[in-house]
Amino acid sequence: GEDVEQSLFLSVREGDSSVINCTYTDSSSTYLYWYKQEPGAGLQLLTYIFSNMDMKQDQRLTVLLNKKDKHLSLRIADTQTGDSAIYFCAEDPNSNSGYALNFGKGTSLLVTP
Amino acid sequence: DGGITQSPKYLFRKEGQNVTLSCEQNLNHDAMYWYRQDPGQGLRLIYYSQIVNDFQKGDIAEGYSVSREKKESFPLTVTSAQKNPTAFYLCASRVGGTAREQYFGPGTRLTVT
Repeated sequence: GEDVEQSLFLSVREGDSSVINCTYTDSSSTYLYWYKQEPGAGLQLLTYIFSNMDMKQDQRLTVLLNKKDKHLSLRIADTQTGDSAIYFCAEDPNSNSGYALNFGKGTSLLVTP
Repeated sequence: DGGITQSPKYLFRKEGQNVTLSCEQNLNHDAMYWYRQDPGQGLRLIYYSQIVNDFQKGDIAEGYSVSREKKESFPLTVTSAQKNPTAFYLCASRVGGTAREQYFGPGTRLTVT
């Protein structure tokens, strides 16, 4: 499929907010997802947003969706060193591939003390 | 404990040998997926199955084969026809129907020399 775009790296200080951005490709995507991957591990589903929503908040995580620009962001408040990981944005473009996800290349988040 | 297990975590093979990666889930999920991850890359879909005894090719199915004889199991065989088999392989599952959350196993790192 076409590329879901994410910036590759982000470095923040502990306690600051992190904002990870993503541009997706398919305006028909019904859901958009954020996954977290720690070194050598599988992907952990962090949160997802339905395409008719503008915002979703879940504890320290806030997802913003701009459907017109096909832009998705993940804000992590009060970022901790344990948040250091790779964050993947994903879309599910259509049901023709069994709702398989189309992923970006991931953003490596480094949280420094 | 409910979840997705993949074994082994690390697998080493000589070039020219077929190798089978295991994926088992006890979540009673109908749909299962295999993705491949290369360094600095997003995940790419190899095969998916929405129901027992049925599976479909994903974007990069060449050199791979799967079976889905049981609901809980979706093994992936990497054949000698796969040109660059060294990668991190991730299995995922989804409840089925129109439910969208997809959950991942811990992954298997395959090294072929």
